[in-house]
Amino acid sequence: EPEVTQTPSHQVTQMGQEVILRCVPISNHLYFYWYRQILGQKVEFLVSFYNNEISEKSEIFDDQFSVERPDGSNFTLKIRSTKLEDSAMYFCASSVSGGGNEQFFGPGTRLTVL
Amino acid sequence: GESVGLHLPTLSVQEGDNSIINCAYSNSASDYFIWYKQESGKGPQFIIDIRSNMDKRQGQRVTVLLNKTVKHLSLQIAATQPGDSAVYFCAENPHSGNTPLVFGKGTRLSVIA
Repeated sequence: EPEVTQTPSHQVTQMGQEVILRCVPISNHLYFYWYRQILGQKVEFLVSFYNNEISEKSEIFDDQFSVERPDGSNFTLKIRSTKLEDSAMYFCASSVSGGGNEQFFGPGTRLTVL
Repeated sequence: GESVGLHLPTLSVQEGDNSIINCAYSNSASDYFIWYKQESGKGPQFIIDIRSNMDKRQGQRVTVLLNKTVKHLSLQIAATQPGDSAVYFCAENPHSGNTPLVFGKGTRLSVIA
């Protein structure tokens, strides 16, 4: 069964450093998402991406964040200068079409900012 | 505002009993709802979904009920098994189109063997 994959599973970084989180969505999906989950809290939307551009973003997704689909398979989330409060699980998701359809989630990347 | 919340943060049930997990949503315009299961250290896993033109949908051992009048969603798990132990989230799609899901806080289900 096709699945969303994410790398790395765990990333430890120093405050102020840049990190890139990688995702490979399901191959025939067209919509891509990043969510985050701070430990013990609910899953929060960051950004959605379709047709090589951001379609929607939350207030969490400030100028320190960017997304890119550098090739036909990868979808990346970059945090330019990490802060302590960026420590969280980051989930990538993809769906065949837009709202009103199941989003498939990856296993997540645990980001720890020291 | 748009929000999805859960009535109970934890639920403990005996193995073999039925489980009912509840969810309240605030946006009457939401037209699509999903239940996700999240095991420790893993991403949300799709369980079942329902559209606003339905009030009940059944899957394998799971049933989702939607009451649009009171904006309430529930997940029923029949014959709960130890493998069902996880955190369950409801999520809603507040608008049509390519919009993100809004998740509730989650209910932790513990199955007692």
